[in-house]
Amino acid sequence: EAQVTQNPRYLITVTGKKLTVTCSQNMNHEYMSWYRQDPGLGLRQIYYSMNVEVTDKGDVPEGYKVSRKEKRNFPLILESPSPNQTSLYFCASSHGTLGEQFFGPGTRLTVL
Amino acid sequence: QQQVKQSPQSLIVQKGGISIINCAYENTAFDYFPWYQQFPGKGPALLIAIRPDVSEKKEGRFTISFNKSAKQFSLHIMDSQPGDSATYFCAASSSSGDKLTFGTGTRLAVRP
Repeated sequence: EAQVTQNPRYLITVTGKKLTVTCSQNMNHEYMSWYRQDPGLGLRQIYYSMNVEVTDKGDVPEGYKVSRKEKRNFPLILESPSPNQTSLYFCASSHGTLGEQFFGPGTRLTVL
Repeated sequence: QQQVKQSPQSLIVQKGGISIINCAYENTAFDYFPWYQQFPGKGPALLIAIRPDVSEKKEGRFTISFNKSAKQFSLHIMDSQPGDSATYFCAASSSSGDKLTFGTGTRLAVRP
């Protein structure tokens, strides 16, 4: 089954404790992206990757890091989480920016 | 900078009625306009998309109307059903760009 998987689905952590949210897709997509969803603000892009070893900042990259060492994986790293990073995070993949983006199920993160 | 403005933020429609969600964009380079549907607890999924070479696209009960001169596009849901209750996001991107820009979302509730 073609899908984007994210782990964990739910995470409660404390300020400053490094965490990684994993994202994996099995559709051989070149383009992958991370979004955060906040009430009233919609989906805002954090980082994206056009292909392996090619990443770039989206609209709200501060406080986040990413890497793309393999085509299927695109982890999101929060080195020192803060409460303002409490949000619902989605990973997505597609063949290109004009193609259909397939979203993962989301990761709800709470930073205390 | 909000490049895609979406309204209304929320919408309540009676079963059988027409739901209308509007979006406006600023970047004239945008040439791909998808709509995504998101059910509670799920990631967004592509519903329907249009390119600016046509003014309307219909898929079942869902229609996109596109007005290039006004830089506006809208989603019409005919004969709205309770199962259509979801959050809808409009989006836009350009073939020369590298990202999909989302609107802020519309929460639709269809009353039985």
